[in-house]
Amino acid sequence: GQNIDQPTEMTATEGAIVQINCTYQTSGFNGLFWYQQHAGEAPTFLSYNVLDGLEEKGRFSSFLSRSKGYSYLLLKELQMKDSASYLCHLNNDMRFGAGTRLTVKP
Amino acid sequence: SAVISQKPSRDICQRGTSLTIQCQVDSQVTMMFWYRQQPGQSLTLIATANQGSEATYESGFVIDKFPISRPNLTFSTLTVSNMSPEDSSIYLCSVAGTGTTYEQYFGPGTRLTVT
Repeated sequence: GQNIDQPTEMTATEGAIVQINCTYQTSGFNGLFWYQQHAGEAPTFLSYNVLDGLEEKGRFSSFLSRSKGYSYLLLKELQMKDSASYLCHLNNDMRFGAGTRLTVKP
Repeated sequence: SAVISQKPSRDICQRGTSLTIQCQVDSQVTMMFWYRQQPGQSLTLIATANQGSEATYESGFVIDKFPISRPNLTFSTLTVSNMSPEDSSIYLCSVAGTGTTYEQYFGPGTRLTVT
């Protein structure tokens, strides 16, 4: 897969905020994407960053720093339905990494 | 965004047989891809389906085992040939967005069980 590092698993509490970090070791990509995949379902596109900075979309925000090779996905006001895998992906390569499996507990 | 359908949604097949999975998109797209995903595992790219030319396969996947057709910009098929239980997996097609960012949209997947 892509040369991307994400934590394998994370656990958080309903109503809390969680930040899923992603570091990568490549350059020359056009955009960095985050996808959500619930167990047994196909991935769905969540957000993308082309420029450095924060992109906000409701309860989800994504941040990119190209100089640091770093991105994060921020999930606010966590809900039980946010339990899923979150995939950080660069669009210069159609392969995917393993992602981060997030479990939201009551 | 693009709406993608796959047929069949699931199937149970016998060892040694072949299954063809269809992927239909509601708009013309340049790039289509086929992935497989085993339970609890990450997505594995099988190939890029190229319209008008042979598919481009990833390491470990060959045309004889996974022949792909792409007759036009809205349709593709993946055949899983001479199946064995190790081929049991979810097979997904995806398309890249028509904008400059190339976000991907996935079909619902085909759950294949080989007995």
